[in-house]
Amino acid sequence: EVQLVESGGGLVQPGGSLRLSCAASGFTFSSHWMSWVRQAPGKGLEWVANTKQDGSENYFVDSVKGRFTISRDNAKNSLYLQMNSLRAEDTAVYYCARETRFTMNRGIIGARYYYYMDVWGKGTTVTVSS
Amino acid sequence: EIVLTQSPGTLSLSPGERATLSCRASQSVSSSYLAWYQQKPGQAPRLLIYGASSRATGIPDRFSGSGSGTDFTLTISRLEPEDFAVYYCQHYGSSPPQYTFGQGTKLEIK
Repeated sequence: EVQLVESGGGLVQPGGSLRLSCAASGFTFSSHWMSWVRQAPGKGLEWVANTKQDGSENYFVDSVKGRFTISRDNAKNSLYLQMNSLRAEDTAVYYCARETRFTMNRGIIGARYYYYMDVWGKGTTVTVSS
Repeated sequence: EIVLTQSPGTLSLSPGERATLSCRASQSVSSSYLAWYQQKPGQAPRLLIYGASSRATGIPDRFSGSGSGTDFTLTISRLEPEDFAVYYCQHYGSSPPQYTFGQGTKLEIK
């Protein structure tokens, strides 16, 4: 069964740090980009960060740049999110998501690229409060 | 940076009715990067549609997606009780490389 399981959430004071983990199973983890997406209480979805298959490229939403880092250990089929200098506005459920990207070649018309998140974990809750 | 605006914010319909949800982009986008997700209370999002119009694995054919340029639509042909949820559109932009979600449409039972 294809599965993602997040862990590491909890209550932390403003300015504190937390490391989230995501354990993947049932698919070839090293073949996929992976993302973190969060959802503040009662709010919508917000993409936070993602990392390439080999960890050589990482991207972040502006609001977490310089505070969060993303990493992966393909030998352990695990994804991580290190969160530093946490703020109240970082309070959210954090989801780990698998990205699927593929290319459809259409001959002389050219290639078309498809990107989406097709597997999601159940999430882990991060609360930043004093 | 592309902004996705979903409408309506809340849609009240009855089982058996047709639902039409809109997602408008602030500038023209590639439809191959446009996806739709369903989220029920207390659950993770679930992929419904990718590439604007392709159904994900296991998604019933009452769900369909369409659109191009700046205007995209998710249609549920005949609502089942389990379809009442929040729906999000999402786009991947390459400059800067990031995903953007719409604010969501809540589909509630009338």
